[in-house]
Amino acid sequence: GQSLEQPSEVTAVEGAIVQINCTYQTSGFYGLSWYQQHDGGAPTFLSYNALDGLEETGRFSSFLSRSDSYGYLLLQELQMKDSASYFCAVRDRQAGTALIFGKGTTLSVSS
Amino acid sequence: DTGVSQDPRHKITKRGQNVTFRCDPISEHNRLYWYRQTLGQGPEFLTYFQNEAQLEKSRLLSDRFSAERPKGSFSTLEIQRTEQGDSAMYLCASTTGTGQETQYFGPGTRLLVL
Repeated sequence: GQSLEQPSEVTAVEGAIVQINCTYQTSGFYGLSWYQQHDGGAPTFLSYNALDGLEETGRFSSFLSRSDSYGYLLLQELQMKDSASYFCAVRDRQAGTALIFGKGTTLSVSS
Repeated sequence: DTGVSQDPRHKITKRGQNVTFRCDPISEHNRLYWYRQTLGQGPEFLTYFQNEAQLEKSRLLSDRFSAERPKGSFSTLEIQRTEQGDSAMYLCASTTGTGQETQYFGPGTRLLVL
């Protein structure tokens, strides 16, 4: 089956940099996605990595190492509004077209 | 607003009652997903439609759950004989055929079964 591991909580201060790691175990891996969810809100797509390396989108970057079954989301210049839950998700052949989500990492940004 | 919409946003029901939720996806999206999310967990896949065809169902989807997408546009999820364990946020997401990793989620329907 599939499994994803990510830390349950991370805390940081405004302006800092934080890295949220995700390790996964799947069969027939396609790629790793990251979603952000504010309290009471809908998950929102942040990034997707199908190939090894770093993808940068503004203050957020995502990295993937397929050989290590590992990825991370890097958030720079943290702002209070970045306080949210962050989920890594995979799509693999066993899951079909659906995304399999991790349990999420709650990021708390303080001033 | 051209995003995914869901109705109702909140539903309180008594155990044993039937409930139905509606999802309106982004209009040009032919793929529609239902997920369930409980507190402190990530969304869990329930079922998937491509146009009007229900192509995948999770083992989580008991026979009390049924979903339809009759014209390939909006979808409904019905839960019969609700149980307290059905209390959760029910999320709908849609995407195009070429962007399966980028799923656009609706705001969800929060169900509380008393």
